[in-house]
Amino acid sequence: EVHLVESGGGLVQPGRSLRLSCAASGFTFSSYWMHWFRQAPGKGLVWVSSINRDASRTIYTDSVKGRFTMSRDNAKNTLYLEMNSLRAEDTAIYYCARGWQADYWGQGTLVTVSS
Amino acid sequence: DIQMTQSPSSLSASVGDRVTITCQASQDITNYLNWYQQRPGKAPKVLIYDSSNLQTGVPSRFSGSGSGTDFTFTISSLQPEDIATYYCQQYDNFPFTFGPGTKVDIK
Repeated sequence: EVHLVESGGGLVQPGRSLRLSCAASGFTFSSYWMHWFRQAPGKGLVWVSSINRDASRTIYTDSVKGRFTMSRDNAKNTLYLEMNSLRAEDTAIYYCARGWQADYWGQGTLVTVSS
Repeated sequence: DIQMTQSPSSLSASVGDRVTITCQASQDITNYLNWYQQRPGKAPKVLIYDSSNLQTGVPSRFSGSGSGTDFTFTISSLQPEDIATYYCQQYDNFPFTFGPGTKVDIK
């Protein structure tokens, strides 16, 4: 069974950093593109970033370019999102998702950026 | 960026009713479209992928159709557990984009 478990969220001050993780199981992690999405409180879903199977290509939404870095460790079946220079508008639940079609999602981890 | 529109933004229907939601893309996305269900306080769940394929384990009362720019999502017989917000999403091109959602309630 496919499982994706996000962790690393929490309360952080503006300008600080946070690293999210997504532990994958139940499938061959290295065979899939992976994505991060987010959802601000009471708002809709937004794509954040994607990474290809061997981590040779990463793509970001404009609002996080230069601040967020997505990576993966295929030996550990884990996806990461390093978030720097955090802003209040980055406050959201962050979800990881599997495959080009984003067919399975984790339960999410809440990031709150506030002083 | 590809813009996704959805209608209606909300609807209220009775148990057993047929419910239809439409989604339109601002350009041709072939059939690269997901439909998601998000129950209150829960993570989104893919119900339909590639516009019309039912995700494993999803009840057959859910269906999708369409290609190009116009897509339809249908619940053939609304059930109480279907109370949720439904989103369409294109994965033809980056940035992946979502419709604004349709909130479905029971009348």
